[in-house]
Amino acid sequence: QSILTQPPSVSGAPGQRVTISCTGTSSNIGAGYEVHWYQQLPGTAPKVLIYAIKNRPSGVPDRFSGSKSGTSASLAITGLQAEDEADYYCQSYDSSLSGVVFGGGTKLTVL
Amino acid sequence: QVHLQESGPGLVKPSGTLSLTCAVSGGSISSRNWWSWVRQSPGKGLEWIGEMYHSGKTNYNPSLKSRVTISMDLSKNQFSLNMNSVTAADTAVYFCARIVGAIYYFDQWGQGTLVTVSS
Repeated sequence: QSILTQPPSVSGAPGQRVTISCTGTSSNIGAGYEVHWYQQLPGTAPKVLIYAIKNRPSGVPDRFSGSKSGTSASLAITGLQAEDEADYYCQSYDSSLSGVVFGGGTKLTVL
Repeated sequence: QVHLQESGPGLVKPSGTLSLTCAVSGGSISSRNWWSWVRQSPGKGLEWIGEMYHSGKTNYNPSLKSRVTISMDLSKNQFSLNMNSVTAADTAVYFCARIVGAIYYFDQWGQGTLVTVSS
């Protein structure tokens, strides 16, 4: 069981908007630690998509955006494309564990 | 651009020791970053194993701490993972990665290496 909770799967049609939630607790997201998002395509290493809640590394399309409220964070993907089909993970720091924590991952299916 | 490359045996016997090395090129492991290991069991999510700073400080996942050691060789610009008393549950793809020091996210990853624990 992951410390950060994500829905196992989400889906959407091309062009639509989807959101992926990441729910934490008062010892991680709620404590003010940064939240980051990764995209993992099949058979590859994860790639950072959003860091520090809402920042996109160079090369990441602005179709991807992040937000945070209280003990939860969200990743939004607009204008869904077939190539967005992947697994998405949130990540933060947990003061109780004194270390990195990941969400369980969400599989995005583009219908 | 920093490049990370994992290496090590792909097969380890139960109760044995898993040993992996991550060679870093294009940047120094003495920089202001943490260097980490993350694993992913087949069909499962990401699990943080631990991290090391060039000062020698380490942090480990409490669930693995008793079996794991991360070390560095500054002269070779590489860091290593040792995990003892392995079982089939330790079968996974092991990634080495760089953590951006101030913001604490993984900005560079190795391609990953599959380690199977089996007799």
